[in-house]
Amino acid sequence: DAGVIQSPRHEVTEMGQEVTLRCKPISGHDYLFWYRQTMMRGLELLIYFNNNVPIDDSGMPEDRFSAKMPNASFSTLKIQPSEPRDSAVYFCASSIQGKYEQYFGPGTRLTVT
Amino acid sequence: AQSVAQPEDQVNVAEGNPLTVKCTYSVSGNPYLFWYVQYPNRGLQFLLKYITGDNLVKGSYGFEAEFNKSQTSFHLKKPSALVSDSALYFCAVRERSQGNLIFGKGTKLSVKP
Repeated sequence: DAGVIQSPRHEVTEMGQEVTLRCKPISGHDYLFWYRQTMMRGLELLIYFNNNVPIDDSGMPEDRFSAKMPNASFSTLKIQPSEPRDSAVYFCASSIQGKYEQYFGPGTRLTVT
Repeated sequence: AQSVAQPEDQVNVAEGNPLTVKCTYSVSGNPYLFWYVQYPNRGLQFLLKYITGDNLVKGSYGFEAEFNKSQTSFHLKKPSALVSDSALYFCAVRERSQGNLIFGKGTKLSVKP
């Protein structure tokens, strides 16, 4: 199995630009999670989906953030407009009903200047 | 509210000595408990989980953890540390009725030769 795939691995953008992060979960997994990791705040859950439906988006920091899951094999996290404080590593993870543990992708390191 | 505490920011151990990374949790009901490891510039990697049954759980790379319900703890242990065990370790908890994990802030394990 290829594991969770994220792209790009690194993204550098200027303040005000739109950023789109992509995730392909492990085939057959029905849960997908987006996390953000910073030194100050640690690992934060942003949103998670079950069977492509958003279940809990209470961790999404503000309206500039949006996430979609158009099908079982693809999800996006979009930031528009981006700000320097959005600089972080963004992880996608997936899991399957009944197995409980989540499998993480390698992350996208986002730098907003 | 669910929470996870990892009281030590860093644990230093000599190679060959036993190691313990501490974790306590607060959650209603009987939780699911997890340990993850993160190497530099990598995603989180699942180590082990407690779902039900035997309080001593064995996982990858010789790690084990003991669930103690009365002390609401789930400490990670290894009988003999390796330099290659040096990494960031995260404890996580999940309420049985929820789909998401709550992570601790992480403990940096440093194993010196």
